Amino acid sequence: EAQVTQNPRYLITVTGKKLTVTCSQNMNHEYMSWYRQDPGLGLRQIYYSMNVEVTDKGDVPEGYKVSRKEKRNFPLILESPSPNQTSLYFCASSPQRLAGGGTDTQYFGPGTRLTVL
Amino acid sequence: KNEVEQSPQNLTAQEGEFITINCSYSVGISALHWLQQHPGGGIVSLFMLSSGKKKHGRLIATINIQEKHSSLHITASHPRDSAVYICAATTQGGSEKLVFGKGTKLTVNP
Repeated sequence: EAQVTQNPRYLITVTGKKLTVTCSQNMNHEYMSWYRQDPGLGLRQIYYSMNVEVTDKGDVPEGYKVSRKEKRNFPLILESPSPNQTSLYFCASSPQRLAGGGTDTQYFGPGTRLTVL
Repeated sequence: KNEVEQSPQNLTAQEGEFITINCSYSVGISALHWLQQHPGGGIVSLFMLSSGKKKHGRLIATINIQEKHSSLHITASHPRDSAVYICAATTQGGSEKLVFGKGTKLTVNP
């Protein structure tokens, strides 16, 4: 089954304790992205990757790191989490660039609810 | 002012009604996206369009590049259409940055 998986789905942690949220897709997609969703602010893009070893900042990259060593995986790393990173995080993938002309769109993971105390 | 604005913020309709959700953007874009977020939180991409109109079942998305405006229409609405509908824009300039509207919460009553 074609899917985007995220782990963990729920995480409660403490300030400063490094964590990684994994994202994996089994569709051989080139494009992957991370978003956070907060009440009143909506969805915001954190980082995206157009291919292996190619990553770029979205709107809110501060406090996050990513890597794309393999096509299928795009982990989100919080080196020193803070309470303002408490949020709902979504990973997504797409077979092509998001810049028009194509017919396929993004496939979203189920979300990871992170609480930083 | 947000780069992508949606209206209305909330919309309540009766089953069978024709629904329109609007999205305006102030930046140059290479594509416009419509997403649906279910009450359980899952997100589904509905459309990506850069010109004209696309249709999928009872859903129709249109875009007017000159007016920087897109609409999502739902014909013969049904309670299962109740969800948050989100508009997003891929900004121009060679990047793949995505900027989102705040969403429109649609409730369709039986």
